[in-house]
Amino acid sequence: GENVEQHPSTLSVQEGDSAVIKCTYSDSASNYFPWYKQELGKGPQLIIDIRSNVGEKKDQRIAVTLNKTAKHFSLHITETQPEDSAVYFCAVEGGSGNTGKLIFGQGTTLQVKP
Amino acid sequence: EAQVTQNPRYLITVTGKKLTVTCSQNMNHEYMSWYRQDPGLGLRQIYYSMNVEATDKGDVPEGYKVSRKEKRNFPLILESPSPNQTSLYFCASSPWKAGELFFGEGSRLTVL
Repeated sequence: GENVEQHPSTLSVQEGDSAVIKCTYSDSASNYFPWYKQELGKGPQLIIDIRSNVGEKKDQRIAVTLNKTAKHFSLHITETQPEDSAVYFCAVEGGSGNTGKLIFGQGTTLQVKP
Repeated sequence: EAQVTQNPRYLITVTGKKLTVTCSQNMNHEYMSWYRQDPGLGLRQIYYSMNVEATDKGDVPEGYKVSRKEKRNFPLILESPSPNQTSLYFCASSPWKAGELFFGEGSRLTVL
């Protein structure tokens, strides 16, 4: 089945710096790649997603890039702010025998220091 | 307000004492799912439901049961809880199986 690896597990940056979180997946047939943000004490919330027919997608300070050949995708946060501090999860949907089911990465705890 | 509501939010129980975590959504979503979150393991799917009376196992279903008698409700049942079920549980719903997941705020369960 699909396997999703997420790195790093923790990331600490200074306010204003950029943060990058990377995920790799195993099934080349996978076609949907969302990112969820989980603030302390809350459930995860979708922040951005990308489908396999697109290489990059941006939404203000966040962007996601997808490299289907290498089977990895990354979340980029620019000009980080303290409110970006949270746990971020990547997920993969699709692939052989996996239609519609999301497989989540292990999570990255991002700390933005003022 | 569109939301997924879980109860209880916190629970401490003892081994073998049956418990139910309720989940209700007010968005008329077809798809509902339960996840558990453990450090270093991310979110793992326990059970899911495509519609009323249609449930199926996820990746870690052992020790859990679910039911979907009404579209809005999807309770998680632990018939005989064990310490390895100590975890943070999330219910989620979506308009369809591959759509955006809307999560509840989580239920932290401790089994002694």
